[in-house]
Parts: sequence; C-alpha cells; structure tokens
Amino acid sequence: GAVVSQHPSRVICKSGTSVKIECRSLDFQATTMFWYRQFPKQSLMLMATSNEGSKATYEQGVEKDKFLINHASLTLSTLTVTSAHPEDSSFYICSARAGAGVDDSPLHFGNGTRLTVT
Amino acid sequence: GENVEQHPSTLSVQEGDSAVIKCTYSDSASNYFPWYKQELGKGPQLIIDIRSNVGEKKDQRIAVTLNKTAKHFSLHITETQPEDSAVYFCAASRGTGFQKLVFGTGTRLLVSP
Repeated sequence: GAVVSQHPSRVICKSGTSVKIECRSLDFQATTMFWYRQFPKQSLMLMATSNEGSKATYEQGVEKDKFLINHASLTLSTLTVTSAHPEDSSFYICSARAGAGVDDSPLHFGNGTRLTVT
Repeated sequence: GENVEQHPSTLSVQEGDSAVIKCTYSDSASNYFPWYKQELGKGPQLIIDIRSNVGEKKDQRIAVTLNKTAKHFSLHITETQPEDSAVYFCAASRGTGFQKLVFGTGTRLLVSP
C-alpha cells in the first residue's frame, strides 16, 4: 500500500533555532500533501495544504512565515518551523494521497515528528 | 465549515466484547468518512472508510455504518483483542481528493485481557 515517510521522528532544538521536517511519498506521486499538528491527547488539526510547484494554503490562525512549507517535487514536502519557541513543541504529521488527479484515494499518514523546543 | 463530534472519549471493554464509536458531522455536503487508528507515538493508520453512496461496509472484525439523514456514522469492532487498544479518530470530508479531512476528537479504546 501507499507509504508516507517522515523524518526525523524526533527532534529537540533550542529556542530561536529552525527545524526542518521532511515528508516523502515512497511509492507514489503526491501533488498534494497535508500538514497536521497534534497536541497531547488531542485531535489532529490541519495546518496547511502543500501543493507541488505552488504556494501552500494555510489554515486560519497558522502563521505562514513561521511554518514554511516547500513542495518542490511530487514526492517531497518539507515543513520548516522557524525561530522555534517552546509553545511550538508538538507532534507534526504529514499526509499524502496516492493517485494524483484521481479523486478516489484515501489519505495516508506519516509516522509523525515529535518536536521539543527547549 | 465542517464540525465532527466523536463519542465516547474513552472506552474500556473486555477482550472478546464489541466496541462501538460514534461520530456526527455538520456539513451535509460531506461524502467521505474514514476511520483511523493511532498507536502511541505513531501517525494515524487508515483502517476503514465509507462513502456516502453506501450505508455499511465491513472488513473482517471492523464495520462502519453511515446514516446520511441523521449525519452520523459509527465504527463497530467485534471480538476485540488487546492489540485493538489505541486511539481511534473519525473524519469527514467532501471527497477523497484535495479536500481536507476534518477529524473528530478521538476515542481511546482500551481492551483488557
């Protein structure tokens, strides 16, 4: 089945630094990927929709200058948390849909990245 | 926009019992309803999904039912096993394509041996 790989699985960084998270679709091409954020014992909240070759679409309340998204190829999207602060500590999860242009494939999720900002 | 409510928030059952998780949605235009299982420290894994043109779908011990009129759908797990213990999320969207999924609040299922 469709596999989405996310890296790193865990990262600890100091306040003020930037962190890049990669999301790859391993066996399919994904024109669209989605980035979610999940706080402990809470649901997944969509942050942004990443479109290959164009600008990402951010959800209301998500700072696009803080959460930079790049979707440079059909198999890779990156999320960069810039000038991270402790409140950015969270579980970040990407997802992608197999079958570009086919409106019949479910979303598959990566295994998430646990970000801890100290 | 779409709003998905999920109940119960926690569910404890004995091994072999059945478990039922219910969700309601607000957007009558939603037509795709997946269920995800999330184990600790991992991303959600799709376990079953249903589209609005069917009322029920079954896959071994897992089944999902959909009532479009009432705008609610349910996950049924029969003959539960300890390895079914996880957090389950329902979701809804207008189609599987580029439309975003809106998730329910999750149900923590604990199956005791």
